[in-house]
Amino acid sequence: QKEVEQDPGPLSVPEGAIVSLNCTYSNSAFQYFMWYRQYSRKGPELLMYTYSSGNKEDGRFTAQVDKSSKYISLFIRDSQPSDSATYLCAMSFTILTGGGNKLTFGTGTQLKVEL
Amino acid sequence: NAGVTQTPKFRVLKTGQSMTLLCAQDMNHEYMYWYRQDPGMGLRLIHYSVGEGTTAKGEVPDGYNVSRLKKQNFLLGLESAAPSQTSVYFCASREGQLKTEAFFGQGTRLTVV
Repeated sequence: QKEVEQDPGPLSVPEGAIVSLNCTYSNSAFQYFMWYRQYSRKGPELLMYTYSSGNKEDGRFTAQVDKSSKYISLFIRDSQPSDSATYLCAMSFTILTGGGNKLTFGTGTQLKVEL
Repeated sequence: NAGVTQTPKFRVLKTGQSMTLLCAQDMNHEYMYWYRQDPGMGLRLIHYSVGEGTTAKGEVPDGYNVSRLKKQNFLLGLESAAPSQTSVYFCASREGQLKTEAFFGQGTRLTVV
């Protein structure tokens, strides 16, 4: 079983829809949770990060973490064609454990927002 | 500000050939990483470095070697390329232990025939 599971999609939605992207994980030691966005033939870019459980909002994006269920989500409101990309969740242990603070990634979900 | 720069961007190798991928960052970051990205597999960590002169194995290190002789550079070597190493390779850097954000390069598309 992979430490981080993510539905690869592809997910196709109409412009203006609310998008929900999800990841589950098995290692309860993960403390930091991130979402990266990757456009075609580009490197991933950090979109949002959260620490521990709860919600974090940034414009049209909301990141949600439920540590009791080992489940994280990214919601995109009023989706736009420019949101079409692959979204990768990533997790790491608490910063002070050392070991290079490796990021463990999900496989990514490919999203297409259509006009 | 260039950020993280990878060289080359594309390469085709024959089985058994060797090559070195170069990653350079101008942000004075301590941590650097090499990942490979394959369809359906996501990003998998090959090797990483927590500072100049240090390297460590990641999830899929076999067939690769790395060196971090200078803080700004992280080299990934393939001594004898195999078709299974056909992939997109990403380098990333991170400021240090207390910073979560990793900055990625544009990637190197490697095909081994």
